[in-house]
Amino acid sequence: QVQLQESGPGLVKPSETLSLTCTVSGGSISDYYWTWIRQPPGKGLEWIGYIYYSGNTKYNPSLESRAAISLDTSKNQFSLKLTSVTAADTAVYYCARRVATKPVYCFDHWGQGTLVTVSS
Amino acid sequence: AIQMTQSPSSLSASVGDRVTITCRTSQAIRDDLGWYQQKPGKAPKLLIYSSSSLQTGVPSRFSGSGSGTFFTLTISSLQPEDFATYYCLQDYNYPLTFGQGTKVEF
Repeated sequence: QVQLQESGPGLVKPSETLSLTCTVSGGSISDYYWTWIRQPPGKGLEWIGYIYYSGNTKYNPSLESRAAISLDTSKNQFSLKLTSVTAADTAVYYCARRVATKPVYCFDHWGQGTLVTVSS
Repeated sequence: AIQMTQSPSSLSASVGDRVTITCRTSQAIRDDLGWYQQKPGKAPKLLIYSSSSLQTGVPSRFSGSGSGTFFTLTISSLQPEDFATYYCLQDYNYPLTFGQGTKVEF
């Protein structure tokens, strides 16, 4: 059974860098798009970006200048770095596995989510 | 970016009711749309992918339909565990975008 688990600091100061890691267990990291999604408290879901197992990345244009996703296949982990954070980046951050093999496109496995608060 | 218009934003229903949620997209997306259910404090859960394909393990009272720019999620007979927020997601092009959510409550 595939499981994803986010980890990282729950509190980040304004202007600093948010860093999160997602550990994948119970399955291979190959052939999937490993994705970060966030949800501000009481609001909807926002796609941040993905890294493919080959290393290719793609980001939401709204965050592209500040976001970076990396992959460590030896540890079955992928990570998110978001620079120059503000209070608007306060959210629950989810990692998820995206299937993108025609004709199936979906997020079939999610982490439980981790709340990151940006505050001094 | 493709804009998603999901409606209603909330609805009141009772156990046994038939519930329909709609999602419109600002441009045609074939059938590259999924539906997700989210309960408070939990991650979203995949219900439907490719507009109408039921994810393994999801009860058959959930169904999806549509293509192009108009999609629906139907719960044929609402159960107590179905009270939650539902999101549509277009998986056609980047950036991937979610609907605003529909909260199904008593």
